[in-house]
Amino acid sequence: DVKVTQSSRYLVKRTGEKVFLECVQDMDHENMFWYRQDPGLGLRLIYFSYDVKMKEKGDIPEGYSVSREKKERFSLILESASTNQTSMYLCASSLPMGSGHVNNEQFFGPGTRLTVL
Amino acid sequence: AQKVTQAQTEISVVEKEDVTLDCVYETRDTTYYLFWYKQPPSGELVFLIRRNSFDEQNEISGRYSWNFQKSTSSFNFTITASQVVDSAVYFCALSSNDYKLSFGAGTTVTVRA
Repeated sequence: DVKVTQSSRYLVKRTGEKVFLECVQDMDHENMFWYRQDPGLGLRLIYFSYDVKMKEKGDIPEGYSVSREKKERFSLILESASTNQTSMYLCASSLPMGSGHVNNEQFFGPGTRLTVL
Repeated sequence: AQKVTQAQTEISVVEKEDVTLDCVYETRDTTYYLFWYKQPPSGELVFLIRRNSFDEQNEISGRYSWNFQKSTSSFNFTITASQVVDSAVYFCALSSNDYKLSFGAGTTVTVRA
């Protein structure tokens, strides 16, 4: 079974704090993703990584950065947390695109509900 | 640009009723993939189905069935004889030939005993 774990289920931080959200997957997946989920907006991609030390911006990267030093771990960093970053954060992983038109499903972690006061 | 619309925000039914969740998508790509995910109260998204744009066959898996119609750009999901355990948020998503999944806003299904 694919397992994607996130370091915290709930997190409360203060405005201006530096926040680290950690994600670990145990299936040797190349791709890893960070999304945020907000009511009425579904999931929106913040960043993704297709290999160690590689990263690509998603749809809403502003205010966030990421780090991928090891294949199994993908960290989301809020350099200076703000109240509008209060949200549910979901990490996912998947195998890379195969040849032709193979598109692999993403496996999700349980999410971290972050509140910024 | 890709877009997925789930017009139903919330649906509430009594156990054993059927539930149909609508999903309408927009894409300019000729090759694409459609997904449905379930998010139970525990929070973790669970993959339900993937369908590629070349395969318009409808699919049935137990009490779940999916109706893919390219002509109307729709990929609807039906739960037959709903159960309380079906209560969850359901997301429809779209992906083209890259990594990105574009999600709809989600539909919250509540099944009452």
